[in-house]
Formats: sequence, structure tokens, C-alpha cells
Amino acid sequence: NAGVTQTPKFQVLKTGQSMTLQCAQDMNHNSMYWYRQDPGMGLRLIYYSASEGTTDKGEVPNGYNVSRLNKREFSLRLESAAPSQTSVYFCASSAGITGELFFGEGSRLTVL
Amino acid sequence: ELKVEQNPLFLSMQEGKNYTIYCNYSTTSDRLYWYRQDPGKSLESLFVLLSNGAVKQEGRLMASLDTKARLSTLHITAAVHDLSATYFCAVTPRAQKLVFGQGTRLTINP
Repeated sequence: NAGVTQTPKFQVLKTGQSMTLQCAQDMNHNSMYWYRQDPGMGLRLIYYSASEGTTDKGEVPNGYNVSRLNKREFSLRLESAAPSQTSVYFCASSAGITGELFFGEGSRLTVL
Repeated sequence: ELKVEQNPLFLSMQEGKNYTIYCNYSTTSDRLYWYRQDPGKSLESLFVLLSNGAVKQEGRLMASLDTKARLSTLHITAAVHDLSATYFCAVTPRAQKLVFGQGTRLTINP
């Protein structure tokens, strides 16, 4: 049972570099999310996609872009990475916008 | 703006003791979730509470919901070391996406 799969699991970037975090779910869920988790800050929503073809900003969208490629896939792009974006990123999906979230394993990103 | 507050944020307790984590939220919510996160791991769903008075139990954990008080509790009975983790509650304001609490880091000492 794959559930929600994120890649890569670990990444080190230099300031100014770009990268894309990939997320795919195999549960036929409509809604997908990207969160970041920092020590002492809990989970903060970056962007979400309530359904295929739509994306919306969350609490901390600055410096990020997203693409809902199809129903299964939701990617997060950092165009010009900054040290403040060092964090653990979680992708999640749910059947609907108020539904139970299923999380990926997380992607640990370090920006030097 | 919906606020979700957990109390306490840090809890250190001994094995065998009972304790309760509280989750207060500021506006009407359709449902409430509890999640568990082990260090360095992802979040896993523990409970989904759908209505006022709902109570769910799994092993030594029991969750309840009082929508009138806008309060959920997660009660730990006779704690064991394996329950050491961070616990998050999350609520859904009307037809909106989940909002998480800050998390409660629970440490259970032998």
C-alpha cells in the first residue's frame, strides 16, 4: 500500500538553487496539500489543491509554487531557495477538503 | 480566524500514570482529528470525531469531543513508553480545510 509518496526524502541545496518536490497519491483523493514543519512551529500549510485543476495559497506560500499535474500528483517548487526554507516538507491528501489527511513520509530540505 | 490551541505543549510523565491533553478551538467545526507523530517520522491518524459527545478508544488512548465547549480531550491511561510522541489535534471550520494545533510533545519515562 503506497498511499502518499514523496521524493526526494533528503536534499541539500545552496542558496539560490531551485528544486521541485514531487508528491503522488494512489488513493484517488481529490484534495492534496503541502505543509512545512519547523521545530516549535507545528505544521504550516504552504499550498493546497482542493480538487484537480485548482490550487490555493495556505498560511506560508511566499517563495513557493505548486502544480497539480493531475489527480494523483502535486508538486512543490522552490524557484530560488533561501536558508529560511530549510525545513521538513510533508505532502498529504484527503478525499475531500474536510476529510482525514494521509501524509507522506516527509522530505528533509537543507538550504546552505 | 480559527485558532486551535493545545494544552500542554510539553508533557513529561511516568509510566503507569494517567493524563489528558486538551484541544480548544475558537469557531464551530465540522469534525476533529487527532494525529500522532513519532520523532523523525510522518503523521498518522489516530481518531476522527464527527459529532458532539463522540468518544473513541484505541488501547490506552481515548478521545472525546464536546462541540458546545469547543473542546476535545485525548486521555492516556496507564501510560507506557511506546506512547511517547507528539500529538496533534486538527479541526475543520465549516467546509474548510484542516487547521492544526501546535502539537503536544509527550515523553513517558520508565
